[in-house]
Amino acid sequence: DVKVTQSSRYLVKRTGEKVFLECVQDMDHENMFWYRQDPGLGLRLIYFSYDVKMKEKGDIPEGYSVSREKKERFSLILESASTNQTSMYLCASSPGTGAYEQYFGPGTRLTVT
Amino acid sequence: QKEVEQNSGPLSVPEGAIASLNCTYSDRGSQSFFWYRQYSGKSPELIMSIYSNGDKEDGRFTAQLNKASQYVSLLIRDSQPSDSATYLCAVIGGADGLTFGKGTHLIIQP
Repeated sequence: DVKVTQSSRYLVKRTGEKVFLECVQDMDHENMFWYRQDPGLGLRLIYFSYDVKMKEKGDIPEGYSVSREKKERFSLILESASTNQTSMYLCASSPGTGAYEQYFGPGTRLTVT
Repeated sequence: QKEVEQNSGPLSVPEGAIASLNCTYSDRGSQSFFWYRQYSGKSPELIMSIYSNGDKEDGRFTAQLNKASQYVSLLIRDSQPSDSATYLCAVIGGADGLTFGKGTHLIIQP
């Protein structure tokens, strides 16, 4: 079974803090993704990565950065957290070329106060 | 901008009946289509994928794809209360991840 884990299920941070969300997959998948999910807006892609040290902007990259130093780990960084970044953050991975199905981690519910 | 449209619901179906969930997409070049189930407070779980026109069956689930009409659907036979969830349609057409619909909230009434 594919397993995608995320570092925290719930996180509360203050405005202006630097926040790290970590994601690890154990299936040697090539591709990793970060989404946020908000009521009424659905899932929105923040960043994705097709290889170690590679990153591509998704639909809403502003205010976020990512890091992929190892194949199994993909980190999302909020450089200076703001209240409008309160959301559910979901990490996903997919096998790679020709196999696009994505598998999600359990999610991190982040609250910025 | 690729778009994936779903009726938000709620769609209410009696237990034991067939639930029919529909999805349309804007990118005619899309090649891969997925259905995810998401329980409240949980992350999406992949339940079906379909790549070719026609039907694909897996247990009580059947995915249907019509590329000419840019339409994909999910049928759930013998609906159970445990099928109550939000169902997300997802489409991939290029190198930038999946585009998700906003989901249909399905309620199976005992």
